[in-house]
Amino acid sequence: QKEVEQDPGPLSVPEGAIVSLNCTYSNSAFQYFMWYRQYSRKGPELLMYTYSSGNKEDGRFTAQVDKSSKYISLFIRDSQPSDSATYLCAMRTNAGNNRKLIWGLGTSLAVNP
Amino acid sequence: NAGVTQTPKFRVLKTGQSMTLLCAQDMNHEYMYWYRQDPGMGLRLIHYSVGEGTTAKGEVPDGYNVSRLKKQNFLLGLESAAPSQTSVYFCASSGQDWSYEQYFGPGTRLTVT
Repeated sequence: QKEVEQDPGPLSVPEGAIVSLNCTYSNSAFQYFMWYRQYSRKGPELLMYTYSSGNKEDGRFTAQVDKSSKYISLFIRDSQPSDSATYLCAMRTNAGNNRKLIWGLGTSLAVNP
Repeated sequence: NAGVTQTPKFRVLKTGQSMTLLCAQDMNHEYMYWYRQDPGMGLRLIHYSVGEGTTAKGEVPDGYNVSRLKKQNFLLGLESAAPSQTSVYFCASSGQDWSYEQYFGPGTRLTVT
């Protein structure tokens, strides 16, 4: 079993839809939870991060962490064609030398006009 | 401010040939990383560096070597390319060790025939 599981999709939605992207994890020591966005033929870029648990909102994007369920989500409201990309979750612990980022496989999202 | 740049963008090698991928960053970051990204496997860490003159192995280091002679540059070498090394290679850097925010280059698409 991988430490971080993410459904690769693809996910296809109409413009304006609410999108929910999810990752599950097995390591209860993870403290940092990140969402990266990767456009086609580009490198990933950080979209949002959350430390420990709770919600974080940035414009149309909301990141949620439920540590009791070991489950994180990224919600995109009023999705736009420009949101079409692959979304990768990443996580890391906050202790010692074992702080490498652990990546999900990424979910491919297409928002159709 | 170019961020992280990678050279070359594309390359085709024959089995057994060698090559060097160059990564340069202009953000004065201490930490640099080489990843490969493959369908169904996600991002995997090959090697990383925590400062000028240092290198360390990641998850999948076999068949690769690295050097960090200057703080701004991180080189990835393939001594004898194999078809299994066909992949997209990303370089990244961060200002703090294992920072939640890593800055990625645009990638190098390598095909080994």
